[in-house]
Amino acid sequence: LAKTTQPISMDSYEGQEVNITCSHNNIATNDYITWYQQFPSQGPRFIIQGYKTKVTNEVASLFIPADRKSSTLSLPRVSLSDTAVYYCLVGAFYGQNFVFGPGTRLSVLP
Amino acid sequence: GAVVSQHPSRVICKSGTSVKIECRSLDFQATTMFWYRQFPKKSLMLMATSNEGSKATYEQGVEKDKFLINHASLTLSTLTVTSAHPEDSSFYICSARDQLGGLTEAFFGQGTRLTVV
Repeated sequence: LAKTTQPISMDSYEGQEVNITCSHNNIATNDYITWYQQFPSQGPRFIIQGYKTKVTNEVASLFIPADRKSSTLSLPRVSLSDTAVYYCLVGAFYGQNFVFGPGTRLSVLP
Repeated sequence: GAVVSQHPSRVICKSGTSVKIECRSLDFQATTMFWYRQFPKKSLMLMATSNEGSKATYEQGVEKDKFLINHASLTLSTLTVTSAHPEDSSFYICSARDQLGGLTEAFFGQGTRLTVV
């Protein structure tokens, strides 16, 4: 399983764009990159998933360079409610379980 | 997205008793479900992988006789914490993947807060 490395914590202010980068140097050819958000005492919630280049949905964008050894989750104009832990996971399309790293604790300040 | 429902959301039990936690996929069939536990301010730790109709695969260090997992149908997996002790107090989370539906992401239940007194 590809190991991931993320910053332990980040601070931001309301209205700013937040970029969280994840390193996954040992990513395999058939691995996808998935990001989850977790609030206290809740299960993780799916944010976005990608394989290469750029993916965008209604809540975030995911940037993946050509070598796929890292990825960046971009949250546009964060609000206080975006304060949470964000996990980057790397895994195959089928069968493989998701192993969580320590995640990034994002604190959005007023 | 797909919905995974976990029940109960919180439970308090006496030391030495057993507690069962249910995990249901509500709108898809989950051939595989996963069970995690999470301590305060820590990440999720995978406990076991549960396959429908077969024995669960446990991660190293997880006692299979203490954490009984049953995946009797494509929509239900249960985790039973047997002879619970205070050190078993934790947040337990299940997840499932809609592999038959071709989705690649995993969906998580809302978690169960277990407190053993």
